[in-house]
Amino acid sequence: KQEVTQIPAALSVPEGENLVLNCSFTDSAIYNLQWFRQDPGKGLTSLLLIQSSQREQTSGRLNASLDKSSGRSTLYIAASQPGDSATYLCAVRPSSVTSGTYKYIFGTGTRLKVLA
Amino acid sequence: NAGVTQTPKFRILKIGQSMTLQCTQDMNHNYMYWYRQDPGMGLKLIYYSVGAGITDKGEVPNGYNVSRSTTEDFPLRLELAAPSQTSVYFCASSPWQTKTYEQYFGPGTRLTVT
Repeated sequence: KQEVTQIPAALSVPEGENLVLNCSFTDSAIYNLQWFRQDPGKGLTSLLLIQSSQREQTSGRLNASLDKSSGRSTLYIAASQPGDSATYLCAVRPSSVTSGTYKYIFGTGTRLKVLA
Repeated sequence: NAGVTQTPKFRILKIGQSMTLQCTQDMNHNYMYWYRQDPGMGLKLIYYSVGAGITDKGEVPNGYNVSRSTTEDFPLRLELAAPSQTSVYFCASSPWQTKTYEQYFGPGTRLTVT
């Protein structure tokens, strides 16, 4: 059964620091992996989606990497700003029928606070 | 393009009452999903649908029902509400045409059962 873990659960960094958020998954048979941002009391906003055949995706100051063989993805945020403060979630779409190919499985998120 | 819309935004129910959470998307997406998010937890899949007339259970379907009569709408029905159903409910949709299945989320419905 696919399980997704995000460590740490919370992180505080000073403004301007480059940082890495981690996402681990137990089954390497994935179709893709999606990173989301969630602001308090709000819905989820898609940041980046990496297909299983890709190694990384970039959008502005964000870079997401994927290593299927080790079951890991990282979200790199460059030059962090107070506006980046939010909870970041990753979600995996399995490619094996036994895990359910139509579904996404979510991690519990990392709550990021960037201090001014 | 409104994307995924959900109503209501907030609701308080008494134990044993019933209600329907509405979800509509205007992006012609085939796949639609209902999740619940409890404090400090990730999202748990309640039900999903791969197209009109086709629905299936997710991880936590007990106490809920869904229907999908059109591509646009995917309502979630709570029968006999219980305190354990206090949560934030999110609806999402994905396109199949692009083969990425990227998920687009609605703003959520915050439900309290007392």
